[in-house]
Amino acid sequence: QVQLQESGPGLVKPSQTLSLTCTVSGGSISSGSFFWSWIRQPAGKGLEWIGRIYTSGSTNYNPSLKSRVTISVDTSKNQFSLKLSSVTAADTAVYYCARVGRFGELGYWGQGTLVTVSS
Amino acid sequence: SYVLTQPPSVSVAPGKTARITCGGNNIGIKSVHWYQQKPGQAPVLVIYYDSDRPSGIPERFSGSNSGNTATLTISRVEAGDEADYYCQVWDSSSDHPVFGGGTKLTVL
Repeated sequence: QVQLQESGPGLVKPSQTLSLTCTVSGGSISSGSFFWSWIRQPAGKGLEWIGRIYTSGSTNYNPSLKSRVTISVDTSKNQFSLKLSSVTAADTAVYYCARVGRFGELGYWGQGTLVTVSS
Repeated sequence: SYVLTQPPSVSVAPGKTARITCGGNNIGIKSVHWYQQKPGQAPVLVIYYDSDRPSGIPERFSGSNSGNTATLTISRVEAGDEADYYCQVWDSSSDHPVFGGGTKLTVL
């Protein structure tokens, strides 16, 4: 059973860079033809897709965040990571990592981690 | 970009059938997925590829998709089904997932 776990600072200052890592267990991140994604959810609001990466390193980002987002993968550690630069209070949210299945479904999710942007 | 429209809320009595719709332009030609999210928890996939259920999801959950509307149907609704439900498709033109705004299911 694949499991995902987000980790990283829960508090980031405005204008700084948010950095999160998703560790995949129960299988190799390189096995199968899966994309790996980041999604976020501000309190009381809906789900917003941030971006995704394939283990080859190919990425695709939400156009509204593209200028500030970098997603990378480290297959040796079975991890993929998110960096979001120049954060503001509007970036405060629960951040989830997830695996994208063959039909575009997000079949496996991490438990989520709350990141607050505040000085 | 592609837009999915869900009703903000649906209410249903226990034991009855709940239907949550997801509207989109010609959504019938896309694969629709549905997620259940309870407070403080991550979303859980309950229906994928329009009508397939992941292992562990009760048969009470079913899905359909045709024309401009996809529907999540929950039969014999239980108190534990109270949650937010989101539909999602993969927008091939932009190569990324699109989520509906979510529907809060209230069990009366």
